[in-house]
Amino acid sequence: GQQLNQSPQSMFIQEGEDVSMNCTSSSIFNTWLWYKQDPGEGPVLLIALYKAGELTSNGRLTAQFGITRKDSFLNISASIPSDVGIYFCAGRGGATNKLIFGTGTLLAVQP
Amino acid sequence: DAGVTQSPTHLIKTRGQQVTLRCSPISGHKSVSWYQQVLGQGPQFIFQYYEKEERGRGNFPDRFSARQFPNYSSELNVNALLLGDSALYLCASSLYTGSTYEQYFGPGTRLTVT
Repeated sequence: GQQLNQSPQSMFIQEGEDVSMNCTSSSIFNTWLWYKQDPGEGPVLLIALYKAGELTSNGRLTAQFGITRKDSFLNISASIPSDVGIYFCAGRGGATNKLIFGTGTLLAVQP
Repeated sequence: DAGVTQSPTHLIKTRGQQVTLRCSPISGHKSVSWYQQVLGQGPQFIFQYYEKEERGRGNFPDRFSARQFPNYSSELNVNALLLGDSALYLCASSLYTGSTYEQYFGPGTRLTVT
């Protein structure tokens, strides 16, 4: 199935470090969503973006809707051990609620 | 407030059998979408239902079907199960009105086909 390109594939960092990840698409999207998924659980919505260029924060998380509408970025500042998990981007482009997900970024934080 | 609920949590079936998965959306949400997540990959869109009507369908065979009830809960049915159908099946709930398209996922149903 179709998946968006998400990078990096994995990150191993020290507690307190900042993290950046991005997602790119060959198609234009009207909505970008970022999710975090823990093993065996469903994805949890972190941030929703609706306008090109939009910058939105949720605590230590900041996400941006790329100006070209084909990419999005997620930053996590001052990482903590509970940030561990898989982060997915997801784009919505049409009239339906169909989300196309990225390949995921595995984040490991060492205390 | 209760989030999205799904049942059962886990399910083991044999090839050729049929399975029904259930989902209850967040109160007030009228749209339900179903996704399949194979281990190591992101979720793949299967269906969207809004106000009991199918609004979108992903690239899945006709063995997959779904419906939405008047109380907005939904069922996903899969017939003639194949080994490749083993996955986490996720239900997502959404208001799907105006400019709000945020989707909230349930914990999923882990289906194992042997």
